[in-house]
Amino acid sequence: NAGVTQTPKFQVLKTGQSMTLQCAQDMNHEYMSWYRQDPGMGLRLIHYSVGAGITDQGEVPNGYNVSRSTTEDFPLRLLSAAPSQTSVYFCASRKGGGETQYFGPGTRLLVL
Amino acid sequence: GNSVTQMEGPVTLSEEAFLTINCTYTATGYPSLFWYVQYPGEGLQLLLKATKADDKGSNKGFEATYRKETTSFHLEKGSVQVSDSAVYFCALSEGPGGKSTFGDGTTLTVKP
Repeated sequence: NAGVTQTPKFQVLKTGQSMTLQCAQDMNHEYMSWYRQDPGMGLRLIHYSVGAGITDQGEVPNGYNVSRSTTEDFPLRLLSAAPSQTSVYFCASRKGGGETQYFGPGTRLLVL
Repeated sequence: GNSVTQMEGPVTLSEEAFLTINCTYTATGYPSLFWYVQYPGEGLQLLLKATKADDKGSNKGFEATYRKETTSFHLEKGSVQVSDSAVYFCALSEGPGGKSTFGDGTTLTVKP
């Protein structure tokens, strides 16, 4: 199993550009989440999904969209990038009845 | 809401020193408690967990005991190695299917 994979590993955007961060898992996990990691602020939940076709907002959802058309994939879209979105983004998944999260390697995003 | 508070870092130790990283939590109900570790350039991975009061989680020489009376889950290791240098996150889960809450992370550097 590859576990949780994320692409790209690193991306530079200009203010106002849009992009999609990809996340995929091959463990048949129902739950998937997106977090951002900023210095001194730990991990903050952006959006999450409890199954295909179901998504909900987390702690810091503004400026981000998600969709979950399949169990495996959970892309995160930045509609109009802002410098405040410079961060490291982690995707995570877990079983529906489980508690342990499995994280991807992260995407480092720089918005100029 | 739930919250997790970790001791502020960074923590710098010499090899073979004793490690303690404090973690306290606030939660309704009876959460499960976790320690995740993030090595440089990687995503978070589970280090250990405990699901009920007085349980002790252990892995790779690390230990933590779920203390309900003090709402704590302190991480300890008797003799750290250079390879233990990483960021350590304390987290709680509201239960199977519940949301996770993470602390801000504590950076540990072990010097030879």
